[in-house]
Amino acid sequence: GENVEQHPSTLSVQEGDSAVIKCTYSDSASNYFPWYKQELGKRPQLIIDIRSNVGEKKDQRIAVTLNKTAKHFSLHITETQPEDSAVYFCAASRRGGFKTIFGAGTRLFVKA
Amino acid sequence: NAGVTQTPKFRVLKTGQSMTLLCAQDMNHEYMYWYRQDPGMGLRLIHYSVGEGTTAKGEVPDGYNVSRLKKQNFLLGLESAAPSQTSVYFCASSLTGLDTEAFFGQGTRLTVV
Repeated sequence: GENVEQHPSTLSVQEGDSAVIKCTYSDSASNYFPWYKQELGKRPQLIIDIRSNVGEKKDQRIAVTLNKTAKHFSLHITETQPEDSAVYFCAASRRGGFKTIFGAGTRLFVKA
Repeated sequence: NAGVTQTPKFRVLKTGQSMTLLCAQDMNHEYMYWYRQDPGMGLRLIHYSVGEGTTAKGEVPDGYNVSRLKKQNFLLGLESAAPSQTSVYFCASSLTGLDTEAFFGQGTRLTVV
């Protein structure tokens, strides 16, 4: 069945370093890849997304890259700050499909 | 503009009891979803709706029922709660479908003892 694998499950970085989270998807028809951030005890919120007609997208310290051939996409956070500490979820979905598939999540710790 | 609101925020049930979780959105979204979140398993889709009066099963529908009588509301029911249904439940909505941003409610922490 369709699935999204996300790695690593836990990531610890020093403040100011970069963090990279990787996801692979199985449904080749997927065309929308959002990333959600969930702070402790809060709801998931969209931080960035990318569509299959784009290879890279940036928003300040956050960037997402997509490799359709390899069916993987990655989240890059530069100059990490303690407030970046959270669980990050990748997801994949497609127009005409009936569900968004989420990865299992990555818990990011940014040490001050 | 409240977005997506879930009630209740916390609940403890005894095995075999029933309850209904309410999700309300004020963004005129067509699509609504119920997810459960368990440690290490991400968000798993229970049921979803693509419009008023429609519902469909997701990945883990067993033990749950839903209804969408009004466009703004999506109800999740547990007829006979089991300890395996202990989880955090999130409702979400999106404007036109699965290739647009999903807005989540604040979650409901349910414990079944």
